[in-house]
Amino acid sequence: QIQLVQSGPELKKPGESVKISCKASGYTFTDYAMHWVKQAPGKGLKWMGWINTYTGKPTYADDFKGRFVFSLEASASTANLQISNLKNEDTATYFCARNYFDYWGQGVMVTVSS
Amino acid sequence: DIQMTQSPSFLSASVGDRVTINCKASQNINRYLNWYQQKLGEAPKLLIYNANSLQTGIPSRFSGSGSGTDFTLTISSLQPEDVATYFCLQHNSWPYTFGAGTKLELK
Repeated sequence: QIQLVQSGPELKKPGESVKISCKASGYTFTDYAMHWVKQAPGKGLKWMGWINTYTGKPTYADDFKGRFVFSLEASASTANLQISNLKNEDTATYFCARNYFDYWGQGVMVTVSS
Repeated sequence: DIQMTQSPSFLSASVGDRVTINCKASQNINRYLNWYQQKLGEAPKLLIYNANSLQTGIPSRFSGSGSGTDFTLTISSLQPEDVATYFCLQHNSWPYTFGAGTKLELK
């Protein structure tokens, strides 16, 4: 069955970096793009952008240009999200979602606190 | 950006009730509208895609309708397991945007 399994929760200090992963199984990884979605505590969902899993080309929504990097380990059917220079407002759950948003990972809670 | 206005924000209904949730887009999104159910601490689950297509495995009491700017999710007969937050997603054009969500509780 199709699954997206994300890495575990992270606790970081402001200014640090974090890398979270999303491992896909049950389908051909390169056939579907991967999207990233942010859900801050008590807030709605926000689309961060997507990565073409065939070419590796990322596309970022305007609010996520600069400190956010989407990458792939295609041989491991894994998509990654790296956030650098973490800020308090990055505290959120981050989801990966397969193209067409039909399957989602379970989410990774990232907490940024001094 | 396309704004998705979802209503109501909160809904209380009884088992067996017919429930409707609405999403209005700020511009035409054709039928590129998905509906999701999210329970606390879980990933969103796709219920309806492209406005009115039922995702495989989803009970037939869920249905979607609409096109252009106005969309509706209907639960024909509310069940206890339907308590959750529901939200819509427009995937017509970047940046993709979500409705703010409807929290559905049992009366």
